[in-house]
Amino acid sequence: EAQVTQNPRYLITVTGKKLTVTCSQNMNHEYMSWYRQDPGLGLRQIYYSMNVEVTDKGDVPEGYKVSRKEKRNFPLILESPSPNQTSLYFCASSLYGDRGTNYGYTFGSGTRLTVV
Amino acid sequence: QQPVQSPQAVILREGEDAVINCSSSKALYSVHWYRQKHGEAPVFLMILLKGGEQKGHDKISASFNEKKQQSSLYLTASQLSYSGTYFCGTDLSGSARQLTFGSGTQLTVLP
Repeated sequence: EAQVTQNPRYLITVTGKKLTVTCSQNMNHEYMSWYRQDPGLGLRQIYYSMNVEVTDKGDVPEGYKVSRKEKRNFPLILESPSPNQTSLYFCASSLYGDRGTNYGYTFGSGTRLTVV
Repeated sequence: QQPVQSPQAVILREGEDAVINCSSSKALYSVHWYRQKHGEAPVFLMILLKGGEQKGHDKISASFNEKKQQSSLYLTASQLSYSGTYFCGTDLSGSARQLTFGSGTQLTVLP
C-alpha cells in the first residue's frame, strides 16, 4: 500500500531533550515536507526537500532540523524542544514537478507532540 | 502569505449544497484542495491550475479564477461522509514546493 509512515504517533517529552520524528514513504517521491498544525492557524510548513541532500526552509523553521540522506526518509529533529513546539506534525510527500506540472501531497498520519 | 478561507464553519443537512472560498492577495499558479477528518491526516481532493479550469470529483467540484486569485470548492447534494475540515493550499511558484494553507473551513453535515 502506498503510504507515508510517521513515528511515533504520540510523544510527550521534557523541555530540552532532543528528539527525532521519523517519516518514510514507499512511493519513490522526490519531494517531502514537514508541516505543523495548530488550532486556528492551519498547516504551516517547517522544511521541505526536493530530493536527496536538497533541503530548504519553510515558513516556520526555527528550532527544527531535517536531513535527507535517502530518498524514502525525511526525519524531523528537535535539538532542544520547547513548549511552544507542542503541536500536531505532519509529513507529506509528492512527485516533484517542474513548473507546469503539479501533484497532490500524500500526508502521514501525524505525530502529536507535547513538550512539558 | 496565508490564503483566506470563508466561511470558517458551515453546518448543512444531508442533500444540501455548500461553497467554500479561498482567496489570495498574490498571483497564484495553482490551488490544491484537501479534506481532513477529525484525528486523521489531510487527504488530497484536487488541483486547479491557472487558466480558470474547473474540476470535478464525484459531487465535489472546484473552480479557479486567476484574475481574482480565488478558488471555490462546490459540494453538491452533501453526504454525511463530506463532514470534515477543508483546506486550500496555494502555490505561487508552479512547482508546489511551498504550499501555503488556509486556516480551514469546518463542514458538518447532519442527517
